[in-house]
Amino acid sequence: KAGVTQTPRYLIKTRGQQVTLSCSPISGHRSVSWYQQTPGQGLQFLFEYFSETQRNKGNFPGRFSGRQFSNSRSEMNVSTLELGDSALYLCASSLTGRGTDTQYFGPGTRLTVL
Amino acid sequence: ILNVEQSPQSLHVQEGDSTNFTCSFPSSNFYALHWYRWETAKSPEALFVMTLNGDEKKKGRISATLNTKEGYSYLYIKGSQPEDSATYLCASYYIQGAQKLVFGQGTRLTINP
Repeated sequence: KAGVTQTPRYLIKTRGQQVTLSCSPISGHRSVSWYQQTPGQGLQFLFEYFSETQRNKGNFPGRFSGRQFSNSRSEMNVSTLELGDSALYLCASSLTGRGTDTQYFGPGTRLTVL
Repeated sequence: ILNVEQSPQSLHVQEGDSTNFTCSFPSSNFYALHWYRWETAKSPEALFVMTLNGDEKKKGRISATLNTKEGYSYLYIKGSQPEDSATYLCASYYIQGAQKLVFGQGTRLTINP
């Protein structure tokens, strides 16, 4: 079974630009969650999508948005990039997104904002 | 406050030794506790999902226990091997407000050959 894939793996953008990251979950998984990791902060929950609907959202500004398609693939968008958005962005998929489900992580997208 | 603490932050262990580290989480409204292993340049890998007080899970040389009443979990590694070098993350799943996994900062384990 193929694992979770994320594209691109690396991105360099400048302040003010916008960026779109993509996540393809494990086949059959309907829940996709997104996390941000910055040095010293650990993994911070951004949002979770299930059946094309945002079901849960973390404490991030509205510049961070996402969507999920009918095939469960998900995209995350960050508009008006700031230097502090430089981070590793991970997505994770699970069957239903319930708290007892195992989450399977992708390799992440490393975003650098200059 | 949704806070998950892990200790120690880092640990150096000799190959063959056994080790353990701690994850602390608020015990009120507990739902589930997850452990992950994250090796450098790889994806975090799920180790255990634990829900019941007194639960004990095992995967090879790695085991974990859970105390939901006092809000802690221990991860044990028996006979450490170089391939055990990784960051070990725990996360507690919260169901108040936005349902989500809240991660600790991790314990970075280095096994010295």
